[in-house]
Amino acid sequence: DIQMTQSPSSVSASVGDRVTITCRASQGISSWLAWYQQKPGKAPKLLIYAASSLQSGVPSRFSGSGSGTDFTLTISSLQPEDFATYYCQQANSFPPLTFGGGTKVEIK
Amino acid sequence: EVQLVESGGGVVQPGGSLRLSCAASGFTFDDYAMHWVRQAPGKGLEWVSLISGDGGSTYYADSVKGRFTISRDNSKNSLYLQMNSLRTEDTALYYCAKDKTGTSYFDYWGQGTLVTVSS
Repeated sequence: DIQMTQSPSSVSASVGDRVTITCRASQGISSWLAWYQQKPGKAPKLLIYAASSLQSGVPSRFSGSGSGTDFTLTISSLQPEDFATYYCQQANSFPPLTFGGGTKVEIK
Repeated sequence: EVQLVESGGGVVQPGGSLRLSCAASGFTFDDYAMHWVRQAPGKGLEWVSLISGDGGSTYYADSVKGRFTISRDNSKNSLYLQMNSLRTEDTALYYCAKDKTGTSYFDYWGQGTLVTVSS
């Protein structure tokens, strides 16, 4: 199984800050990586797929980069509605499809 | 508008069974693979199972293999998860999710249905 490790597990930031979350795969997954946002009591929402492709309707302040084993989600200017938990997910090989442990973005 | 609505969750004793359903609308159901993903209270996301658009291929996480069965009825635009031999560690919110065109990414999710396994 491919293990996905996210860091940090939580980050405190202010509105307007640039926030970067990293995700590392235990083996190479090419660009088969997605990022999801989950707010409390809500289902996850797809933000980024194929490592860097923005899902339709997602604001352009979200961006993704990386390939192989190391990936990054960047929020260029944090907005109040961005406080949430973010998960990465590999789609290179299954079963199983696997998620990272999550990164909680909290208000500073 | 794509909609996924899960149902069938509830409280069940260890060793018991439950059948979850997911009603889909707003897209051509049999064109897409579908998934079940679960989230234990306060924990992260765990992929559970995948079924192809025609129902001919299914895949499971090791944690549920042999106990859970995924199926679909394309005539009813419905996805199912039959859960047998339930364990306390199966307690979670179960989401159905649509596959993003053969990619194994999840582009639409339901609101989830809660399964609690407790004596």
